[in-house]
Amino acid sequence: RKEVEQDPGPFNVPEGATVAFNCTYSNSASQSFFWYRQDCRKEPKLLMSVYSSGNEDGRFTAQLNRASQYISLLIRDSKLSDSATYLCVVTGGFKTIFGAGTRLFVKA
Amino acid sequence: SQTIHQWPATLVQPVGSPLSLECTVEGTSNPNLYWYRQAAGRGLQLLFYSVGIGQISSEVPQNLSASRPQDRQFILSSKKLLLSDSGFYLCAWSLYGVNTEAFFGQGTRLTVV
Repeated sequence: RKEVEQDPGPFNVPEGATVAFNCTYSNSASQSFFWYRQDCRKEPKLLMSVYSSGNEDGRFTAQLNRASQYISLLIRDSKLSDSATYLCVVTGGFKTIFGAGTRLFVKA
Repeated sequence: SQTIHQWPATLVQPVGSPLSLECTVEGTSNPNLYWYRQAAGRGLQLLFYSVGIGQISSEVPQNLSASRPQDRQFILSSKKLLLSDSGFYLCAWSLYGVNTEAFFGQGTRLTVV
């Protein structure tokens, strides 16, 4: 089983749609959780951290469920500029593990 | 502020040739350092990570190796490249602790021909 698993997609949604991504992780001792965004042929960049209480940043909401070992990202009112690959990231001690990413295409 | 430098940005190498990619971090001490590879259309694969000088952990057995000769320098090497080594190589750093994000260099796009 992979340490971090994501649905690869792609997710094709119209502008204005709400889209949700899920990610599961295998190590129950994992400490920190993030969502990164990667544009085509570019390095990944931090989108947001994920806290146990859940957190929101504008149109983006991230949630963590430690009991079920999954994290989620919700994007509301999708924009064309949201088209990218979204990477789930889990850290524990010395290691930072990335999921394979979920591709999102937002179309007009 | 912290910055990470990775070079070269692109590289075309023949099969069987050696490889050396270098990554340096500025503005922080004792960072955790990482090498990732991303094949075309695929996710990030952790290759190596290092928690200190001379300390290297390998995640995937292959013909690549890594070294950390200085606190903020991380080098990825190969003695003989294979076609399957082609990909996008990313160096990253983070601090040890809770809620520490990873910061990436701009990556090296390697094509083995």
